Amino acid sequence: NAGVTQTPKFRVLKTGQSMTLLCAQDMNHEYMYWYRQDPGMGLRLIHYSVGEGTTAKGEVPDGYNVSRLKKQNFLLGLESAAPSQTSVYFCASSGQGWEKLFFGSGTQLSVL
Amino acid sequence: GESVGLHLPTLSVQEGDNSIINCAYSNSASDYFIWYKQESGKGPQFIIDIRSNMDKRQGQRVTVLLNKTVKHLSLQIAATQPGDSAVYFCAERQWDTGRRALTFGSGTRLQVQP
Repeated sequence: NAGVTQTPKFRVLKTGQSMTLLCAQDMNHEYMYWYRQDPGMGLRLIHYSVGEGTTAKGEVPDGYNVSRLKKQNFLLGLESAAPSQTSVYFCASSGQGWEKLFFGSGTQLSVL
Repeated sequence: GESVGLHLPTLSVQEGDNSIINCAYSNSASDYFIWYKQESGKGPQFIIDIRSNMDKRQGQRVTVLLNKTVKHLSLQIAATQPGDSAVYFCAERQWDTGRRALTFGSGTRLQVQP
């Protein structure tokens, strides 16, 4: 039972480069989320999706885009990476009612 | 929870003692609360949740208490073990923000001394 799987686990980018983080869940969950976590801080919501084909902005959406073409996948894109986007990124999913979230193991991203 | 920037509040306890981790929330529209445990290098893991129509809920070695009058949530861990060392986050479901996502506090680090 894989749960929520994130790829890659680590990535180093140069300023201005682009990349896509992939999140996959096998629990048939409707809701999916991307959070970022910075040292000593909690999780801040970047974007989320309430179902296939839908996306919505969270607290800190600037500089990121997302897509939910398939129910099981949620992609997070950085169009032009900046050092301020150095962070640990977590994907999560939940069923109806957006209650108990299941998290992936995270992606450590460094932007130089 | 209150943001504390780069420095997480830390609770240090002796192995075998009980631990109490506190969380303040500000949104009276929140109706559901949840505690997560995050070990170093891992994603947050669910511990226990509680709805706003309850004051207390117990799990295995953990108890969550909710005081809606003062908007306070606490997590009690009985007979704390070294494996309990982690960062603990509270999160709430806020219906009035328009965002269908949990809002997380900044976390508390629990250190268990052997």
